[in-house]
Amino acid sequence: EPEVTQTPSHQVTQMGQEVILRCVPISNHLYFYWYRQILGQKVEFLVSFYNNEISEKSEIFDDQFSVERPDGSNFTLKIRSTKLEDSAMYFCASIRTWGTEAFFGQGTRLTVV
Amino acid sequence: AQSVAQPEDQVKVAEGNPLTVKCTYSVSGNPYLFWYVQYPNRGLQFLLKYITGDNLVKGSYGFEAEFNKSQTSFHLKKPSALVSDSALYFCAVRDGNTDKLIFGTGTRLQVFP
Repeated sequence: EPEVTQTPSHQVTQMGQEVILRCVPISNHLYFYWYRQILGQKVEFLVSFYNNEISEKSEIFDDQFSVERPDGSNFTLKIRSTKLEDSAMYFCASIRTWGTEAFFGQGTRLTVV
Repeated sequence: AQSVAQPEDQVKVAEGNPLTVKCTYSVSGNPYLFWYVQYPNRGLQFLLKYITGDNLVKGSYGFEAEFNKSQTSFHLKKPSALVSDSALYFCAVRDGNTDKLIFGTGTRLQVFP
């Protein structure tokens, strides 16, 4: 069964450093997302991406965040200068077409120290 | 703006008993409703969805949910709970005007033997 793949599974970084979280969505999917979850609590929307551009972003997704789909398969989330409060589990998701269910990756646990 | 409420942080039920996990929503148009389950240190797994059609939808692992438009609810149910159903359950909604999913705060289901 096709799945969304995320790497790394765990990333530890020092405050102020840049991190890139990587995702390979399901190959025939058209919409891509990043969500985050702090301490196993609420799942928060960060950004959606369609047709090679951001379609929507939340207030959390400020200038420190960016997304790219550089080669038609990978979908990355970059945090330019990490803060302690960026520590969370980050989930990538993709959907095939509008209205269908989202498939989530296993997540990247980001720890900022 | 769309929103989802899961009024119970935790639900406890004995194995073999029926279970209900509650969800209410608010959207500006027609809702797209979803239930996801999360096991410890894992991603979100899709259980079932309501887009249109029958108000009672059936999903994975024997779960079902009933869409009630007048009460703006989409409660998750299972006739006979298993210990292995113990997990964190999230209700999510998307309205017709956006491609992002908004999640509830989650309900921890504990099924005891």
